[in-house]
Amino acid sequence: DAGVIQSPRHEVTEMGQEVTLRCKPISGHNSLFWYRQTMMRGLELLIYFNNNVPIDDSGMPEDRFSAKMPNASFSTLKIQPSEPRDSAVYFCASSRDQVRPSGKNIQYFGAGTRLSVL
Amino acid sequence: KQEVTQIPAALSVPEGENLVLNCSFTDSAIYNLQWFRQDPGKGLTSLLLIQSSQREQTSGRLNASLDKSSGRSTLYIAASQPGDSATYLCAVSYAGGTSYGKLTFGQGTILTVHP
Repeated sequence: DAGVIQSPRHEVTEMGQEVTLRCKPISGHNSLFWYRQTMMRGLELLIYFNNNVPIDDSGMPEDRFSAKMPNASFSTLKIQPSEPRDSAVYFCASSRDQVRPSGKNIQYFGAGTRLSVL
Repeated sequence: KQEVTQIPAALSVPEGENLVLNCSFTDSAIYNLQWFRQDPGKGLTSLLLIQSSQREQTSGRLNASLDKSSGRSTLYIAASQPGDSATYLCAVSYAGGTSYGKLTFGQGTILTVHP
């Protein structure tokens, strides 16, 4: 399996521009997570989906951020308009059914997208 | 608010030493606890997952313990090697509602093992 695939690996944009980050989860996994990592705040969960449905988006910082999962093999995280404080590494992770408790649902992470907003 | 704290923030040891990384959490009603490894510029790799009903898990030279009553977990690395150099993150999942899917991470311990 190719693992969780994120694109692009690096993104440099100017303040005010729209940014779209993409994620392909591991085949057969039905839970998908978007995280943001910064030096100041560490690793934070933004939103997670189960069976393509958003379960908890309480970590989404503000209305400028939106996430979609149109099917089981693709998700996007969009920032519009982007601001310099959005600069961070954004990770996508997937696991088998996280909502159905089994205690063994390990999350597998992609390599991340490093976003720089100038 | 659930908080996860890792001590020390950084650790430098000579090759061959046994070492312990510490993780503490404020809410004992956890569902599971995971230890991850992160290499520079890379994503996270899960090392060990301990369910709330377990007290420890072992994988090779790694051993993780869990004490829910005291809100602590330790990651023990035996016979450390330079290839173990990385950031180690502890993450906790809490029980109830939509919390099962939510991992709360510590800030990590940066480990350097020098030859």
